[in-house]
Amino acid sequence: QAVLTQPPSVSGAPGQRVTISCSGSRSNIGADYDVHWYRHLPGTAPELLIYADTNRPSGVPDRFSGSKSDTSASLVITGLQAEDEADYYCQSYDRSLSGWLFGGGTKLTVL
Amino acid sequence: QVQLQESGPRLVKPSETLSLTCSVSGGSIGSSYWSWIRQPPGKGLEWIGYVFYSGSTNYNPSLRSRVTISIDTSKNQFSLILTSVTAADSAVYYCAVMPTVNRDWFDPWGQGTLVTVSS
Repeated sequence: QAVLTQPPSVSGAPGQRVTISCSGSRSNIGADYDVHWYRHLPGTAPELLIYADTNRPSGVPDRFSGSKSDTSASLVITGLQAEDEADYYCQSYDRSLSGWLFGGGTKLTVL
Repeated sequence: QVQLQESGPRLVKPSETLSLTCSVSGGSIGSSYWSWIRQPPGKGLEWIGYVFYSGSTNYNPSLRSRVTISIDTSKNQFSLILTSVTAADSAVYYCAVMPTVNRDWFDPWGQGTLVTVSS
């Protein structure tokens, strides 16, 4: 079954750097399909944070960055702020599914 | 900036049909892929499917036998129908826009609507 795997939770102190990983397979990330990242506060609309692996939509601070290598992708947040506390999801296309997948989500806690 | 708003019944009985509509404002419903995504309580996001403005569709294979997504360009709306629902279909349902299948991110999203399947 097609899956994108994220750690259930990560945490960091204000000002620190955290990395959220997204592990896929040769049928999605490893097939060079783009990876996108979203920030989601419960009760609100998910927000596009990174598109096409490394690109930030206008208005997203450069504290957020994305990368991709082989079958995995990562979201890095530097200079952690209290308002970064949210759930983060990766997303990619999967050719075995012939459709789109989301990771299970990572809850970021700012200590 | 396009804005999306989901509407429809919040409570559906088991074995019945879930029906939701997404109203699009601030832009035309033409030439994009209009999508539905859901999130069961305590779980991650699941792509349900999309409808292109021409009416062509693509569905998640796990739901394909029960899902229909349609579009009404005259009303700037698109809709989701999910038949034979069970408690496992209880979720927050989001509508969202995918620019193209090669620019396959979802942006923007609606606020979401919680649908509960219960008798």
